[in-house]
Amino acid sequence: GEDVEQSLFLSVREGDSSVINCTYTDSSSTYLYWYKQEPGAGLQLLTYIFSNMDMKQDQRLTVLLNKKDKHLSLRIADTQTGDSAIYFCAEKAGNNRKLIWGLGTSLAVNP
Amino acid sequence: DAEITQSPRHKITETGRQVTLACHQTWNHNNMFWYRQDLGHGLRLIHYSYGVQDTNKGEVSDGYSVSRSNTEDLPLTLESAASSQTSVYFCASSESGSGRAGEQFFGPGTRLTVL
Repeated sequence: GEDVEQSLFLSVREGDSSVINCTYTDSSSTYLYWYKQEPGAGLQLLTYIFSNMDMKQDQRLTVLLNKKDKHLSLRIADTQTGDSAIYFCAEKAGNNRKLIWGLGTSLAVNP
Repeated sequence: DAEITQSPRHKITETGRQVTLACHQTWNHNNMFWYRQDLGHGLRLIHYSYGVQDTNKGEVSDGYSVSRSNTEDLPLTLESAASSQTSVYFCASSESGSGRAGEQFFGPGTRLTVL
């Protein structure tokens, strides 16, 4: 079945770039998403990328998609302490309205 | 501004009681979803609805039910609460259709403790 995998933890120093990786198995994915969850809050959509794109940039965020390897990454430039959160990768396959979720990557930013 | 709200934000109940968690969205979205979030399990889908009078079971639906009588609301009922249902519950909604990304918008969550 469909599966989305992420590493569980990432630790970076303030000011460095963070790269959070995600792999997925469904070759019919149409959209892939990155969400951010701060402590005690709901999930907030950060960005998404359509499957026919290989890169999307939005201010400090860069999403790279390698369809051949089914690999998605989120790069956060100049990481700040406010970026400490759990980051979820999700995919939408074809016209399916449900999303398949990764377990989330907990990003710790050290001063 | 459109939003999705959940109530209550925190709830403590006893084993065996019936509990209903409310979810209300003003996006006018067709699709609504209930998830539970537990450490080590990420988000797991409980029930979902693609429109009024439509409900479907997710991967962890046992012990839960939903009903969809209007577009805005999808209440989640725990028929007889069990300690294993202690969790954080999230409601989400999305719109679907040609050319839409189908991103889901989340409520703030309800933290439920079953004693």
